[in-house]
Amino acid sequence: DTAVSQTPKYLVTQMGNDKSIKCEQNLGHDTMYWYKQDSKKFLKIMFSYNNKELIINETVPNRFSPKSPDKAHLNLHINSLELGDSAVYFCASSHRAGYNEQFFGPGTRLTVL
Amino acid sequence: KQEVTQIPAALSVPEGENLVLNCSFTDSAIYNLQWFRQDPGKGLTSLLLIQSSQREQTSGRLNASLDKSSGRSTLYIAASQPGDSATYLCAGPLDFNKFYFGSGTKLNVKP
Repeated sequence: DTAVSQTPKYLVTQMGNDKSIKCEQNLGHDTMYWYKQDSKKFLKIMFSYNNKELIINETVPNRFSPKSPDKAHLNLHINSLELGDSAVYFCASSHRAGYNEQFFGPGTRLTVL
Repeated sequence: KQEVTQIPAALSVPEGENLVLNCSFTDSAIYNLQWFRQDPGKGLTSLLLIQSSQREQTSGRLNASLDKSSGRSTLYIAASQPGDSATYLCAGPLDFNKFYFGSGTKLNVKP
């Protein structure tokens, strides 16, 4: 029944490691997003994919690389993790690109030690 | 650059009160506006979406309005309950598909 799911829910890792977060939506939506929520709870968009194509790429370090194998999945891979990467990462989806209602996953809390 | 301000940052009220949360955008050219609630340690739950052609939306005890001319939205919660305690976020797209979020209003409804 879960509309937008993410794994893992928690991720604790050492600086310099590489990690991935997976996201899946079963809503049949065309568009998916990654957001980062910092310690002050401020949400900022990182990437957006529409039908597996990247349409938004905010000012995010190259160490972050999204991958969309199909419309229902959008994964986030992070290389050479840094302390400042610690945050909650949310995946979201919407019916189509542009001005539509967004549905969010439960978030992945990443802690870099 | 779009900035979104939510006032107040925190609010504590006794159960049963009606309350208003405010959201304003520096660039009023937003297309639509979505209100969310976020419970501690949880994701965002969509509450209301006001489309560009609409001025308000209602769902149960919630009513949200949008004044595009001024770039302001209000979320009205009637007869508040302890279960309404959460952080409320507003968001709206300025650029295509790029949502800008406010920093939220943390609501505490006391029994």
